[in-house]
Amino acid sequence: ELKVEQNPLFLSMQEGKNYTIYCNYSTTSDRLYWYRQDPGKSLESLFVLLSNGAVKQEGRLMASLDTKARLSTLHITAAVHDLSATYFCAVEETSGSRLTFGEGTQLTVNP
Amino acid sequence: DTEVTQTPKHLVMGMTNKKSLKCEQHMGHRAMYWYKQKAKKPPELMFVYSYEKLSINESVPSRFSPECPNSSLLNLHLHALQPEDSALYLCASSQPGQGTHEQYFGPGTRLTVT
Repeated sequence: ELKVEQNPLFLSMQEGKNYTIYCNYSTTSDRLYWYRQDPGKSLESLFVLLSNGAVKQEGRLMASLDTKARLSTLHITAAVHDLSATYFCAVEETSGSRLTFGEGTQLTVNP
Repeated sequence: DTEVTQTPKHLVMGMTNKKSLKCEQHMGHRAMYWYKQKAKKPPELMFVYSYEKLSINESVPSRFSPECPNSSLLNLHLHALQPEDSALYLCASSQPGQGTHEQYFGPGTRLTVT
C-alpha cells in the first residue's frame, strides 16, 4: 500500500523567508503532483513532476522530484501572505488512476 | 477549456432525502473521479470511472451510487445519508494513457446532512 508523508503539517513563517515542504512516499512511482487548496475552495494544480530529477518553478514556488529517494520538495522563496494555503502532494500508483495524498501542509505567512 | 463544473455548490439534505450531485467536463478526459473531503483532511477517493466504466470503488457505502451517463458527465446519487457524510464532495477528471494523468478538480459541492 502506497503511503505518502508530508512534513511539516503546519508551517508558520514570516514574509520574506524561505522554507521547504517535504513529501516522502513509500513505493515506486513516476508521477507526483502538488496542489494548493485555499479554505473552503477546491484543489488547484501547481506542479506535475514526471521523472527523476524533474524541477518545476512558478513564481516563488519550486518543486523537485527524486524518485530514487522517493522524495519531493516544494521550496518557497521569499514568502508572501498570498501563499497562505494548504499544500498537498499526491502520488500516483504505478497501476494508474489512483492518487494517494499526503496529509497536507497548512502554511501561514505572517506579515 | 480546463474547467470541471459541479452542481449544486451547496446542498442541505435530511437523512431520508434523495439527491444527486452532478459533474461535467469538456476536456475530452476519459477518467472521472469522486472524492470526499472532510475539513483539514486530504481528499479521499470514492469512485473512479475509466472510459465510462466503474474501475475503482473504494468500499463506499451503498447509500452513495455513482453514474457516468457519458464521457462528459458524472453523477453521484445520494440516499439515506448520515450526518457523518457531511463533507466537501469533489469531482475530478484526467486523461488516461500516455501523458501526465493530471487531475483537474471541480469547485466541489458542500454537503450538509441534517
